[in-house]
Amino acid sequence: KAGVTQTPRYLIKTRGQQVTLSCSPISGHRSVSWYQQTPGQGLQFLFEYFSETQRNKGNFPGRFSGRQFSNSRSEMNVSTLELGDSALYLCASSLESGGQVETQYFGPGTRLLVL
Amino acid sequence: EDKVVQSPLSLVVHEGDTVTLNCSYEVTNFRSLLWYKQEKKAPTFLFMLTSSGIEKKSGRLSSILDKKELFSILNITATQTGDSAIYLCAVVHGGSNYKLTFGKGTLLTVNP
Repeated sequence: KAGVTQTPRYLIKTRGQQVTLSCSPISGHRSVSWYQQTPGQGLQFLFEYFSETQRNKGNFPGRFSGRQFSNSRSEMNVSTLELGDSALYLCASSLESGGQVETQYFGPGTRLLVL
Repeated sequence: EDKVVQSPLSLVVHEGDTVTLNCSYEVTNFRSLLWYKQEKKAPTFLFMLTSSGIEKKSGRLSSILDKKELFSILNITATQTGDSAIYLCAVVHGGSNYKLTFGKGTLLTVNP
């Protein structure tokens, strides 16, 4: 099975711009979660989608949003970029059966640099 | 506030040493605890623990969970330079909606 894929892998933007990141989960996985990883804060949970619905959201401002499509692919959008948004953005998918959470498998990440 | 605390934050050992990494947590509605290894790329899954006292093993790595004392340990025996990485602990928690809270990780450096 192909793993989780994320595009693009690297991105450079300037303050005030917006960015859209994409994630394709492992085939059959319907849960997709997004994380931001920075050296100072570690891995922080952004949000999780399941069957096109956002089920949970971390403590990030409204500039961070996402969506999931019917094929389980997910996108994350950050508007009005700030320097502090520079980070590695990781997407993870998991197989959930019978309400039981299974482990998550991470994609390679998108490294975003905001200048 | 939900939190996951890992210790130590960093550790330097020599090849062949045994290391123990710690993860303690305070979360609502605990469901499971996950260990990941992260080198220069995305984290890779090591173990998922849901029951107390049952050791999970994979080669030189093993892990155990104590749900009464709210912690887990990850043991690595006969360390090798390839074990150098950040080890992340994450707790799955919540009700019908779940989320993961990660610790900040332990940076392990194994010197030859």
